[in-house]
Amino acid sequence: GQQVMQIPQYQHVQEGEDFTTYCNSSTTLSNIQWYKQRPGGHPVFLIQLVKSGEVKKQKRLTFQFGEAKKNSSLHITATQTTDVGTYFCAEIPSGGSQGNLIFGKGTKLSVKP
Amino acid sequence: ETGVTQSPTHLIKTRGQQVTLRCSSQSGHNTVSWYQQALGQGPQFIFQYYREEENGRGNFPPRFSGLQFPNYSSELNVNALELDDSALYLCASSQGQRTYEQYFGPGTRLTVT
Repeated sequence: GQQVMQIPQYQHVQEGEDFTTYCNSSTTLSNIQWYKQRPGGHPVFLIQLVKSGEVKKQKRLTFQFGEAKKNSSLHITATQTTDVGTYFCAEIPSGGSQGNLIFGKGTKLSVKP
Repeated sequence: ETGVTQSPTHLIKTRGQQVTLRCSSQSGHNTVSWYQQALGQGPQFIFQYYREEENGRGNFPPRFSGLQFPNYSSELNVNALELDDSALYLCASSQGQRTYEQYFGPGTRLTVT
């Protein structure tokens, strides 16, 4: 079935360093969403990308959707301790049943002050 | 605050028992999706309810069932609990059948012993 693969599984950075997580699929994605889950919390929607080659920015976060719509990335510039959490990409499968999200396994980010 | 509430927060059950989890959707949302999140994994789609009818189901056995009420709140029922059912159960509400931005509740942590 459809599955999005996320790498790396874990990332430890020093505060102020940059961080990137990647989401890859063997099939063309209709769209990709990104969520953040703080430790002990629940997923919080960050953004949705739909267009090939799309780039969106939210302050220090930059989201990209690949030209072939088979991969996506989330880049955080100058990490802060508030960025700690697990970042998930999720896709809405094209065709089939409506309304479900297929999540990757996430990248767990820890930031050392 | 997302406005989605879930109860109870934590629950401990023994193998073979039955459990009912509850979710109140965000005001104005008519769609509720349920997810199971095992420790260290991404959420997995169980099913979705739209206007009181099941609107898509993931790869979960029939002992996972649900309901949606006229006020769009929802229940998740799990019969014949197994140890592997131990997980965080998340509900997410959204507007309409097509998933765009889902608002997750805080989750119910279920432990099966």
